[in-house]
Parts: sequence; structure tokens; C-alpha cells
Amino acid sequence: DTEVTQTPKHLVMGMTNKKSLKCEQHMGHRAMYWYKQKAKKPPELMFVYSYEKLSINESVPSRFSPECPNSSLLNLHLHALQPEDSALYLCASSQDVPNIQYFGAGTRLSVL
Amino acid sequence: AQSVTQLDSQVPVFEEAPVELRCNYSSSVSVYLFWYVQYPNQGLQLLLKYLSGSTLVKGINGFEAEFNKSQTSFHLRKPSVHISDTAEYFCAVSRYGETSGSRLTFGEGTQLTVNP
Repeated sequence: DTEVTQTPKHLVMGMTNKKSLKCEQHMGHRAMYWYKQKAKKPPELMFVYSYEKLSINESVPSRFSPECPNSSLLNLHLHALQPEDSALYLCASSQDVPNIQYFGAGTRLSVL
Repeated sequence: AQSVTQLDSQVPVFEEAPVELRCNYSSSVSVYLFWYVQYPNQGLQLLLKYLSGSTLVKGINGFEAEFNKSQTSFHLRKPSVHISDTAEYFCAVSRYGETSGSRLTFGEGTQLTVNP
């Protein structure tokens, strides 16, 4: 089983709203990732958690706030987003060596 | 640092024809190589991977790829495509031996469109 579950599938929010994206995996993977993907482009890495510690932050604006409550869960808290933040947000997880990443179906976010 | 070049942004083919999607990479160290497929409005699905050993790797849905170290290529092939293969395909690399939590470097993607 290589399933990564993301909720919600779709989210529409105003620029003053606060919302959260959720990602869950039960494969025992110890690394989890958030990516942002614009149409017709490859995913762009945002954050990496390794053993529940933030190991990579790709200079993402502070209106995006990640959280890893335990080894199976990853959240992305959203606040005061801009319309240009509208995109597909993908979560992935991976085991230790080799680093094979498995992706969820994504959350389609629209910021009005 | 690694980089990935997918040589064709769009590949149109007719159903039941063979197809090759080309991927070249650049790296000063050994790498793992991956192909992912993304169907419309979905996430990325791992199609196949090269980690070590045999240079010809087989994946899901009848796809295969060949790792060529001297040409730093990892081209994806399928002998006979179906309408359902229409999707975006991404080639990706990561550094050999790196533990989890390391970066994947993606190519820009190739849109495969299979026409009846």
C-alpha cells in the first residue's frame, strides 16, 4: 500500500480566511513533503519534515505554516493568502534510503 | 546540484503507436532516477524507478525505461499506447544514497496526447 491521503480535495478561501490542509500516510515513512504545483509546471518543493523535524524550508512566505504533529500526519496552515497562491498543493512521503517519494492526490486551492 | 531536461514539451501520437519520452540529466554524483505520471486533476503517480542494477526497468501500465550512464539519459518507452495514457509525464532525479527528506529535481514535464 503506497497511499498518501490529502484532505480536502478542493478548497476555496478568501484572502482573510484561515484554513488548513491535511495529509496522512500509514506506510511508516519518516519524511513528509509539501509541494506547490501551478498548471503545466512541475511541483515546487515548499517544506520537508524528516523524523518530525522541519529540515527544509524553501523560503516560503510566512502565510504558509507547516506542522507535523506525528510521524503519520502533516498539516499546512494557511492565513492571509493571495490570489497567486491558487494552485494544486501536493503532499508526499518517503522511506529512508532510497528516497522514493509517493504523492497524494492533492488539494486544489482557489484564493479569491 | 542536479538538473533534468525533458526534451519534448508535447508528444502527440496515435493510439497503438509506440512512444518514447526523452529525459536527460546532469549530475556530478550518482543518482536515482524516476518517472512520474500525472493524469488531469490528480496527483503524481510513480511509474517506475532506477535505483541500481539492471539498466532496463519495467514499470506499471506497460512502460519501461533504460538508464544510459554514458549519455546521462533515462528515456521512457511504451510499445503501444492507449487513449488512457494521455497525461503529463515528469522525469525526476535524486542523489544516490541520500536519506529520506532530500530533494527531488524534476524536469519541466512532457504532455503525452494519444489520439484515436
